[in-house]
Amino acid sequence: RKEVEQDPGPFNVPEGATVAFNCTYSNSASQSFFWYRQDCRKEPKLLMSVYSSGNEDGRFTAQLNRASQYISLLIRDSKLSDSATYLCVVTPGTALIFGKGTTLSVSS
Amino acid sequence: EAGVTQFPSHSVIEKGQTVTLRCDPISGHDNLYWYRRVMGKEIKFLLHFVKESKQDESGMPNNRFLAERTGGTYSTLKVQPAELEDSGVYFCAVRQSMNTEAFFGQGTRLTVV
Repeated sequence: RKEVEQDPGPFNVPEGATVAFNCTYSNSASQSFFWYRQDCRKEPKLLMSVYSSGNEDGRFTAQLNRASQYISLLIRDSKLSDSATYLCVVTPGTALIFGKGTTLSVSS
Repeated sequence: EAGVTQFPSHSVIEKGQTVTLRCDPISGHDNLYWYRRVMGKEIKFLLHFVKESKQDESGMPNNRFLAERTGGTYSTLKVQPAELEDSGVYFCAVRQSMNTEAFFGQGTRLTVV
């Protein structure tokens, strides 16, 4: 089993749609959780950290369920500029462990 | 403040040659990581420095890869001799501490032919 697994995607949605990404992780000792975003041929950049209580940043909401070892990202009112690959990241130790990523394509 | 800088941005070498990738981190970020993304696969951890010390090198694929971090500043990753399967994008990332954001360099795209 991979350490971090994500929805395979790609997700193709129209502008204004709501889209949800899921992620599961295998190491219950993981302490920190993040969603990163990677644009084509660019480096990953932090989108948001994920906290046990859930957190929201504008149109983006992240949730963590430690019991199920599950993380989610909800994007509301999708914009064309949201098109990218979304990477689920966990830290079971000192390194960040990445999922394969889910590609989102928002069209007009 | 300058970000993480990687050199070169692209490198095309022949199988059997040597290549050295360099990462210049953000000043004051003691934790430095090397990652690699092979086409179609996830970004894979290679190793982690804390200052000049190797904290974790469990992700290094084999002994053809050698990473150093001189004086806890810039880091190099040498591949010698390169093989076809070493092709991919090599990212350097830095963090101030374990729970803070990791900042990535733009990566070095290595192609071994």
